[in-house]
Amino acid sequence: EADIYQTPRYLVIGTGKKITLECSQTMGHDKMYWYQQDPGMELHLIHYSYGVNSTEKGDLSSESTVSRIRTEHFPLTLESARPSHTSQYLCASTNPGSLSTDTQYFGPGTRLTVL
Amino acid sequence: KNQVEQSPQSLIILEGKNCTLQCNYTVSPFSNLRWYKQDTGRGPVSLTIMTFSENTKSNGRYTATLDADTKQSSLHITASQLSDSASYICVVSDRGSTLGRLYFGRGTQLTVWP
Repeated sequence: EADIYQTPRYLVIGTGKKITLECSQTMGHDKMYWYQQDPGMELHLIHYSYGVNSTEKGDLSSESTVSRIRTEHFPLTLESARPSHTSQYLCASTNPGSLSTDTQYFGPGTRLTVL
Repeated sequence: KNQVEQSPQSLIILEGKNCTLQCNYTVSPFSNLRWYKQDTGRGPVSLTIMTFSENTKSNGRYTATLDADTKQSSLHITASQLSDSASYICVVSDRGSTLGRLYFGRGTQLTVWP
C-alpha cells in the first residue's frame, strides 16, 4: 500500500471559486505528478516535479498551477474554477529505483465537479 | 505517433472464469510496460512491470506476457473473483518514468458477475 494521500476526495464547487487540491506522500520520493482523467479515458499528465522548487507542465495543457516547497507536498491550484475543469485529478510519485523498473504510486484521486 | 491501444474496451465474465486482456503499443524506444488495476473512484495500483527482456511476469492470479517484437502484451486473469471488477490499464514507458514519459491506454473495464 502506497503512502500517498489526496484531499479532498470529492469536491463540488461553483464557477469562479479558487480551489487547492492537496497531495502528500511520506515515501521520500523526489518526482511527483498530477494527472487528469475523465471517465473511460486515459490519464493525461498535467504537471510534474523533479524535486523541491522544480515544476514542469505536462502533456495536457491545464489552467491549474502547482508548487513544490517541500518534498512531501505537491498541491494543485485552480484560481478560478470552470465547468470544463470537472474531472478526476490523480497525484502520483515515483520511487527512486532503477531507471527501467521504477514504479509510480498513485493517490486515491480527487473527483472535482464545478457547477 | 506513440500510442497504446487496449482491447476489449469492456468485458463481462462470470465469477471463476478466466479472461485475457490485450494491449498493443507503438511506443519507441521501449523501456518497460506496466499493467495497473484501477478500482472505481480510486487511483491505479501496479500489478506487473516488464522490461524488454522479460516475456512473462506473474502476480498471484494475474499473469502478464510481453512480445517486444510484435509490441503486444496481454494480462491473463485466472479464476476471476468479484473483486477483480475494475479497469485494467496498460502503460508503456519510453525511457523509464524517471527520464522519459509514460503512455497510457484507456483501459479495459472488467466486470465479474456472481
